[in-house]
Amino acid sequence: DIQMTQSPSTLSASVGDRVTITCRASRSISGYLAWYQQKPGKAPKLLIYKASNLHNGVPSRFSGSGSGTEFTLTISSLQPDDFATYYCQQYKGTFGQGTKVEIK
Amino acid sequence: VRLEESGGGLAQPGRSLRLSCAASGFTFSTYWMHWVRQVPGKGLVWLSRINTDGSASSYADSVKGRFTISRDNARNTLYLELSSLRAEDSAVYFCARSDGFNYNGLDVWGQGTTVTVSS
Repeated sequence: DIQMTQSPSTLSASVGDRVTITCRASRSISGYLAWYQQKPGKAPKLLIYKASNLHNGVPSRFSGSGSGTEFTLTISSLQPDDFATYYCQQYKGTFGQGTKVEIK
Repeated sequence: VRLEESGGGLAQPGRSLRLSCAASGFTFSTYWMHWVRQVPGKGLVWLSRINTDGSASSYADSVKGRFTISRDNARNTLYLELSSLRAEDSAVYFCARSDGFNYNGLDVWGQGTTVTVSS
């Protein structure tokens, strides 16, 4: 099975900061990676698919990149609504363990 | 476009439970469907997926042989049969859809249904 490892597990940042989260796959998944945002008590929301494609309605401050085994999610200017937990998922199913973005 | 899970609740260890996921607002029969669970305060765990006509399914190793995914396209409903339940199966269970296998991510999710396994 393909394992997904996210880093960091927790990230403290301020409004306006540029934030980057990394996701590594244990073997190549080509570009088939998705990113999700989840807030407490809510279902996850799709942000990015196929590593770099923005899902409908997702603000352009979110972007994704990478291929093969290493991927990144970047928030160009963190907004109050962005404090949440972010997960990557490879196309066969496995999620990363999550990255909590909290207020510094 | 909506997914709504039901069927969660309290179950005893070793017993079975069937979860349902009712779809509306889209052509259910053209989407692959998935189940994902989450222990409160912990991460997301993908459990299973099923193709559009129900002829093919896959499972995470952790539930293979105990959980069974199925669908009824006439009723626009996805199911997950949980058997031989263990305490560690206690979680919130989400259903979600994908356009195809899962190359474009899980774009619609239900709100989740809670399963508690306890004697």
